Amino acid sequence: QSVLTQPPSPSGTPGQRVTISCSGSSSNIGSNTVNWYQQLPGTAPKLLIYSNNQRPSGVPDRFSGSKSGTSASLAISGLQSEDEADYYCAAWDDSLNGPVFGGGTKLTVL
Amino acid sequence: EVQLLESGGGLVQPGGSLRLSCAASGFTFASYAMSWVRLAPGRGLEWVSSISGGGGRTYYADAVKGRFTISRDPSSNTLYLQMNSLRGEDTALYYCARDQGTTVTTWFDPWGQGTLVTVSS
Repeated sequence: QSVLTQPPSPSGTPGQRVTISCSGSSSNIGSNTVNWYQQLPGTAPKLLIYSNNQRPSGVPDRFSGSKSGTSASLAISGLQSEDEADYYCAAWDDSLNGPVFGGGTKLTVL
Repeated sequence: EVQLLESGGGLVQPGGSLRLSCAASGFTFASYAMSWVRLAPGRGLEWVSSISGGGGRTYYADAVKGRFTISRDPSSNTLYLQMNSLRGEDTALYYCARDQGTTVTTWFDPWGQGTLVTVSS
């Protein structure tokens, strides 16, 4: 049971816009920033979004993040087949005194 | 180029021990906190442990506290994870990852390719 809750398996068609949510509590998302990670099949995870809505160099602007209260969201616009991956949110948890991840969301591009 | 190369994984019986290593190159090792994150079969990413750049502060997930020990050797630019009293639920692909600075945060990037630990009799 992950501390941060993500939907299991959304899907979308090429060109669509998809949103992945991440729900937490006051001890994690409510008081700290959220990062998002993308794990393509058979590869190591990669930082996709940091500090709620910042993109590291090289990440396309199709990817965007937001946070409100104790929830965060990752939006992917102009969905492409190569976006098919597992997506994880992460935040520091003040009660646990460490990082916590969401359970992961497997995005399927139909 | 920043590189992280994990090693030390393998098959171990329940109750056994393993020491994972992560050889770092391409950056000033002491300037960055480092972490171990695992990916278990059918489960998502799980943070395991982190250590500050200077090594003075360590953090552990409740699931491994008291059984795992994280450490780092600045002379060899290597991160370690000593794993004792291993259980079946510790079976996973273990990644090492670099932080953004000397302080431990939720920034994990870049990552190594992972080393597989299997706990089974």
